[in-house]
Amino acid sequence: EAGVVQSPRYKIIEKKQPVAFWCNPISGHNTLYWYRQNLGQGPELLIRYENEEAVDDSQLPKDRFSAERLKGVDSTLKIQPAELGDSAVYLCASSFRTEKEYFGPGTRLLVL
Amino acid sequence: KQEVTQIPAALSVPEGENLVLNCSFTDSAIYNLQWFRQDPGKGLTSLLLIQSSQREQTSGRLNASLDKSSGRSTLYIAASQPGDSATYLCAVPSQGGSEKLVFGKGTKLTVNP
Repeated sequence: EAGVVQSPRYKIIEKKQPVAFWCNPISGHNTLYWYRQNLGQGPELLIRYENEEAVDDSQLPKDRFSAERLKGVDSTLKIQPAELGDSAVYLCASSFRTEKEYFGPGTRLLVL
Repeated sequence: KQEVTQIPAALSVPEGENLVLNCSFTDSAIYNLQWFRQDPGKGLTSLLLIQSSQREQTSGRLNASLDKSSGRSTLYIAASQPGDSATYLCAVPSQGGSEKLVFGKGTKLTVNP
């Protein structure tokens, strides 16, 4: 069974540039999560989807971050414009309802 | 607000040693607790999930215990191996029945051959 797929794995951009991350969850998982993990810290939830609906986006900086999950499967997380402080690892996870979460390998973002 | 603390932040042990990682949380009204493993440059892998009604869970050489009343959990690793080297994180729901997980900063474990 394929796990959670994320792309790209690494991204280096200059500040003020836009960037997008893509996530393909495990087949059949209706719940999808985006986390941000800063160096030396645990992951922090940015947004959680149940099917197409964003049910928890309280930690998403809405002035520059946006996310979508069309058709309740793949999801895209976008940052525009990126700031130096956005450098982090962005993790996607999926689960069937509220059962155990399965994490992807993450996208490591460096903003110069 | 739920806060999770993990001690120690880093641990280095010789191969074969038994070890204990600690996790504490401020809001004891949780319905489960999870321990995750994270290898460098990789995502997280769930190791053990303890329901609030359970006191411990075992998987191979790993044993996790949960004491809700004191807000503590421990992860016991028996006969450690170099392949156990990774960062171990614990996570609990942010409040009550919330699906939002709050993670600790993790304990970086190094097992020396």
